[in-house]
Formats: sequence, structure tokens, C-alpha cells
Amino acid sequence: SQTIHQWPATLVQPVGSPLSLECTVEGTSNPNLYWYRQAAGRGLQLLFYSVGIGQISSEVPQNLSASRPQDRQFILSSKKLLLSDSGFYLCAWSLARGGAETQYFGPGTRLLVL
Amino acid sequence: AQSVTQPDIHITVSEGASLELRCNYSYGATPYLFWYVQSPGQGLQLLLKYFSGDTLVQGIKGFEAEFKRSQSSFNLRKPSVHWSDAAEYFCAVGEVGYALNFGKGTSLLVTP
Repeated sequence: SQTIHQWPATLVQPVGSPLSLECTVEGTSNPNLYWYRQAAGRGLQLLFYSVGIGQISSEVPQNLSASRPQDRQFILSSKKLLLSDSGFYLCAWSLARGGAETQYFGPGTRLLVL
Repeated sequence: AQSVTQPDIHITVSEGASLELRCNYSYGATPYLFWYVQSPGQGLQLLLKYFSGDTLVQGIKGFEAEFKRSQSSFNLRKPSVHWSDAAEYFCAVGEVGYALNFGKGTSLLVTP
């Protein structure tokens, strides 16, 4: 069966510091991968998605970036965090093989920027 | 423009009472429809999905949803709510080849 991992679970970082959040998927090949942010009291905002190694699409311009160095690894990064980057970050995967995409979510990383 | 609307931000129901959470969408074609649940501090768990066929879909934890094309709705229902159902519920809509479009969520509070 497939599993998705995210780490760290919780992170407290000062403004201006770098960020690296990691997401890995097990039990499947060539998944589509997604990064979402969920701010307090809001819905999910799609940040990035990837359909393959090195292929990243950005949905929202911001100081965040994403990379996919391996098939089942998706990394969210920032060179300098802003206060507004605080939130709950969710990674998700799906397999779109000519059908609709059912997305499966990881446990999330709570980021607090101070 | 494509959109997903969950009209109720918060809903409070008594334990044992029935529940209906609303979801409306605006899409050009028949979309694929999903309901997810999120417990505090957790990721999203898929409750059920509709792709085609029977418009009444059964999901996990005793939930069901009905697709009504004429009303562009996909409402989530449960006949008897348990305290453990308190959570955030998200409706999502998608088309082949596109990422899902999520509603803003409905927060469910269950009272004794």
C-alpha cells in the first residue's frame, strides 16, 4: 500500500531564515505530487505541483520554491521566510492514468515564523 | 470560471442528529467530486468520491453524498452524527488533467 510522509511535523523559524520541508511517497511510481498551504481559518491553497522529476508548476507567485530531485520526493524551500509564510503545509500525491485525480494527503507540517 | 462553494463555514449539530453539508460547483462539464475530512492538526482523509454511475455514493465512517446535476450540488450526509465526527470538511472538484479545486471548508461542531 502507498504511504506519504512529511517532515518535520512542526517547525518554528525566525523571519529571514531558510526553509526546507520534505515529502516522500512510498509504494507507488511516478506519482503526481502537490504542495498546499492552509492558513488559519482558510481553505487549501495549491502552491506547486509536479508530474515528474524536475517538472514543477507554480500556482502562486511567492518566495517559496519546490523541487523534485527524485521520483517520490518533493521538497518545499525558501531562502528567506516571511511572517506570512506561517501555516500548515500539506503534501499530496495522486496517480492520474487517464482518469480523475484522487489526491492522498500527508500528515502535514505546521510552520510558525516568528 | 470554475468554482467550488461550501456555503456553511460552521455547522453545529447535536450528537445523534442527522447531518448535511452543502457543496455547490460551477464547471463546464460533469466534474469529478470528492469529500475530504480533516481532524485538527492532521492531513486530509478521503471520505468518498464520485466519478460516474450511481449518483448516491457511499463512503467511509457512515457518510454518503448525492450528486445532483440539475442543482450542481454534491452534498454530504450522515444519518446520525458521532462526537468523533467533529472536524473540518472539504469538498473538492476536478477534471481530468487538472489539479483539484477545493472549497473553503465547513467546520463541524458536535454538541452532547
